[in-house]
Order: sequence, then C-alpha cells, then structure tokens
Amino acid sequence: GNSVTQMEGPVTLSEEAFLTINCTYTATGYPSLFWYVQYPGEGLQLLLKATKADDKGSNKGFEATYRKETTSFHLEKGSVQVSDSAVYFCALSEGGGSNYKLTFGKGTLLTVNP
Amino acid sequence: EAQVTQNPRYLITVTGKKLTVTCSQNMNHEYMSWYRQDPGLGLRQIYYSMNVEVTDKGDVPEGYKVSRKEKRNFPLILESPSPNQTSLYFCASSGTSGFFKQYFGPGTRLTVT
Repeated sequence: GNSVTQMEGPVTLSEEAFLTINCTYTATGYPSLFWYVQYPGEGLQLLLKATKADDKGSNKGFEATYRKETTSFHLEKGSVQVSDSAVYFCALSEGGGSNYKLTFGKGTLLTVNP
Repeated sequence: EAQVTQNPRYLITVTGKKLTVTCSQNMNHEYMSWYRQDPGLGLRQIYYSMNVEVTDKGDVPEGYKVSRKEKRNFPLILESPSPNQTSLYFCASSGTSGFFKQYFGPGTRLTVT
C-alpha cells in the first residue's frame, strides 16, 4: 500500500532560519504529492502541490520538488517567520487524477521563535 | 464564503451512546471524506464519498458509518462509541475542478469515557 514518511518533530527554529522538513513516499503508481499546514486550532490547508516528477510546488515562500528517483518531496523555506509555526503534513494521492484518497504522514510540528 | 462546517466542535459522551457528527459544505463538491487525527499517527481516512449515495471505506472504517443522501452533507455516525474512538475528527471536501485541493472543516474533538 501507499505510505508517507516524514521527519519526526518537533522542529524548533529561530526567525529567519532555513527550514527543511523531509518527506519520502511509497506508492505503486504515479502519485500526486502535497504539503498541508495546520495552524493551531484549525483544520488543514493545502500549502502546495506537485503532480508529476520534477514539478516544483511553491507558495508563501515554501517550496518542494517532486523527486521520483529518490521518492521524496522535501519542504523548504529560506527564512521562516514566527507565523509559520504550525504542524506540516506531507501527503500523497493516487487515483488516476482523482484525489479521492489522501495518505498522510504523521505530521511535523514546527515552532519558530522570535 | 466557501467553507466546510462541522458540528459539534466539541463532544464528551459515554461508551455506547450513539452519536452523529454532521458535516456540510457549500461548494457543491462531489467528493467528501472523514479523517481522524491522533497524536503520533497523523490523519487517517475513515470513509469517503465520491457523490450522492456513493461511499467507500478508508483505512480505519471499523466502528463508523456514513451516509450521503444529499450532496452537501456527509454525517459521521458512531453507533456504539468506545474510548478508542476518542480523537479529533476532520471532514473534507473537494470538487472535480481544482480537484487536487481538499477543503477541511475546523474539526470535532470527541471524547468517549
């Protein structure tokens, strides 16, 4: 079956530090890959996505590149802010273009200190 | 405003007392889904629905039921709740245009004693 493995947290950084959250996946076909973010007390929001190999998803200064050869989709940001403190989930979806099933990683808690 | 709503947001109940968590979306989405979120386990899919009267099991369906009689609503039913169903529950929906984006509700925190 499909699975997503992301780095264990929590991750604590100072403001303006560089962020990397590792994500690797196992899938039988050609999945689409996502990063979702969950701010305290809220539901999940889509942060970025990539639908095929070598695609780069980006949003709000975050980036992730779909690497088929290493089955990875690492999340990066060059300079984090306090407002980036949240839980980040890597996820994949298969289904011939439909996203009827998302498989999530366990989440990584990021805390950014001023 | 496009949104997914869930009710109640918080619920404390006792073992065996049937309960329903409602989910409604105002975006005319075909697809809806329920997840539970547990510490150290992330989100796991319980059930999903591709359209009215079409539902299927996710990864952890045991102890839950769903129905999809109307496009906008997708209630989650616990016929006989048990303490291991204490969790944070999220409903999500998406359409077929921009279909990679799922919209999540705010969550329902359920405690079963």
